[in-house]
Amino acid sequence: DQQVKQNSPSLSVQEGRISILNCDYTNSMFDYFLWYKKYPAEGPTFLISISSIKDKNEDGRFTVFLNKSAKHLSLHIVPSQPGDSAVYFCAASKETSGSRLTFGEGTQLTVNP
Amino acid sequence: KAGVTQTPRYLIKTRGQQVTLSCSPISGHRSVSWYQQTPGQGLQFLFEYFSETQRNKGNFPGRFSGRQFSNSRSEMNVSTLELGDSALYLCASSGNPRRTNYEQYFGPGTRLTVT
Repeated sequence: DQQVKQNSPSLSVQEGRISILNCDYTNSMFDYFLWYKKYPAEGPTFLISISSIKDKNEDGRFTVFLNKSAKHLSLHIVPSQPGDSAVYFCAASKETSGSRLTFGEGTQLTVNP
Repeated sequence: KAGVTQTPRYLIKTRGQQVTLSCSPISGHRSVSWYQQTPGQGLQFLFEYFSETQRNKGNFPGRFSGRQFSNSRSEMNVSTLELGDSALYLCASSGNPRRTNYEQYFGPGTRLTVT
């Protein structure tokens, strides 16, 4: 069963505007969440993470919000740049599972100049 | 600091053969995880090694195996290859020795094609 879901396979935004990528999870045991960016023919690159004890984490243009009651997290990119065009993966982990990450299906973000 | 390296980058094998992929983690990292990425299934966890011991295993058949050496380098092996094993195999390393599921750093992957 898909424990981490990214319901939007693609998202297109204009340069300078905000990009909002969403992720839902079902397993309440998940306690750490991460976002990765992936370009074709490369491995995923870590972007930002958040522990379940927080509801927001910010790093430059990237902010992740966590709503535990809704089992929902989102990644905000402000302002969006053409170089942000990539596939974004949401991932979740739980302390009892070592380094195992459970990934969503990914969202293709396209930022148009 | 050098990143995660994987060799080979591309590989073509035929059904029934076996294959060994190699991963060198970031210097000082002791945890190495392997993932399979396919268009239909996304990124799926294969297994994780820490200090030469398999610490976690995903839902893959026994044809998929791995090991880790004392220098933290890891190999994964797939025996009796099937067409469905065609995928991008990604290795990730993590340095946190206690809290084991902090950020992981991925290599570029090995693209395996089975014909």
